[in-house]
Amino acid sequence: DTAVSQTPKYLVTQMGNDKSIKCEQNLGHDTMYWYKQDSKKFLKIMFSYNNKELIINETVPNRFSPKSPDKAHLNLHINSLELGDSAVYFCASSQDPPGLAYEQYFGPGTRLTVT
Amino acid sequence: AQSVTQLGSHVSVSEGALVLLRCNYSSSVPPYLFWYVQYPNQGLQLLLKYTSAATLVKGINGFEAEFKKSETSFHLTKPSAHMSDAAEYFCAVRKDDKIIFGKGTRLHILP
Repeated sequence: DTAVSQTPKYLVTQMGNDKSIKCEQNLGHDTMYWYKQDSKKFLKIMFSYNNKELIINETVPNRFSPKSPDKAHLNLHINSLELGDSAVYFCASSQDPPGLAYEQYFGPGTRLTVT
Repeated sequence: AQSVTQLGSHVSVSEGALVLLRCNYSSSVPPYLFWYVQYPNQGLQLLLKYTSAATLVKGINGFEAEFKKSETSFHLTKPSAHMSDAAEYFCAVRKDDKIIFGKGTRLHILP
């Protein structure tokens, strides 16, 4: 059973389009995250949600909008895609932030290519 | 401010040789530290974590790391490298409600 799953695995689209990436976790965790990994493998947090509430919102263009319909799902919608949005996007989940030394469980990633 | 620095973006070792990946942290308080591994075209997987319970932490796949407060280091080691260890390795530190990752070290295993 996959713990953190993402769809689609690959996404190729043109500039200006709007696209969504879906994430689901079956670990019963309360917190979910979106990360962006660039071509140099640098991993940067974008958002985190705890029990459907946004708790971390890093400096990300407002073209990116996360949505959490329930605590097991965190989707990422991107409007007006730009070339610089090309990257691998990872979803992750963890126990409540106040927990001791919580680790994050990562999905397999979605490779987004904007042409 | 809490952050981690990984020394060496690429490390090559021969199969069977010692693996040493370096990580230094900066933290104003005792940190929670992690090592993650990313195999090609996959997500990150936790190797081990330091929670102040013990300075020598054992992880999966034969890896271990030692927390040295005097050196502010948390280097990752494995006595004998396998070809399957070839991957990207990330050191990370907890900061508030999020984890800050280092820039990663690509480990190459030479036959």
